[in-house]
Amino acid sequence: GQQLNQSPQSMFIQEGEDVSMNCTSSSIFNTWLWYKQDPGEGPVLLIALYKAGELTSNGRLTAQFGITRKDSFLNISASIPSDVGIYFCAGRSGGGADGLTFGKGTHLIIQP
Amino acid sequence: ETGVTQTPRHLVMGMTNKKSLKCEQHLGHNAMYWYKQSAKKPLELMFVYSLEERVENNSVPSRFSPECPNSSHLFLHLHTLQPEDSALYLCASSQFRGSYEQYFGPGTRLTVT
Repeated sequence: GQQLNQSPQSMFIQEGEDVSMNCTSSSIFNTWLWYKQDPGEGPVLLIALYKAGELTSNGRLTAQFGITRKDSFLNISASIPSDVGIYFCAGRSGGGADGLTFGKGTHLIIQP
Repeated sequence: ETGVTQTPRHLVMGMTNKKSLKCEQHLGHNAMYWYKQSAKKPLELMFVYSLEERVENNSVPSRFSPECPNSSHLFLHLHTLQPEDSALYLCASSQFRGSYEQYFGPGTRLTVT
């Protein structure tokens, strides 16, 4: 089946630093989504991308849909303690599939 | 209640027990999903329902039995589970079957002993 390679697996950063993470696929996706999951909670949708090359922001978060349609990037600027959590990329390739394919997640840890 | 709710939040069951997980969405959506989240693995889609009709079953063992009595409620009936079935079970909903944006509940943490 389809797989998404998400990196890095974990990040240890200082508060105030910018964060970058990415997701790649061997196949083309029509949609990319980025979710955040806090401990004990379900994933929460952060940003949805629908067109190749699209750049979308949500506050301090910016995500891009890669031109090749095989990758996506998420950037967080000026990180704050509440940014801690696991960030997942997810995609859909279309073709009638209903579910989302998820990456394994990037665990963001912010050191005081 | 708003969004997607799931009960119970935590469940411990023996391998011979029968239990059910419940999901309710208050978003007026028409599609609902069950996902399994295991440690160090991507979320795995288990079942998809659209307007109470099952439209996708990703080769899930028969010890997991879904039920969707209406577009707001989704159940996952569990029986004779195995320890490797221990995981976080997440329910999600979307406006329509083909909608890309899925909204998740908080999950049920299941432990099979």
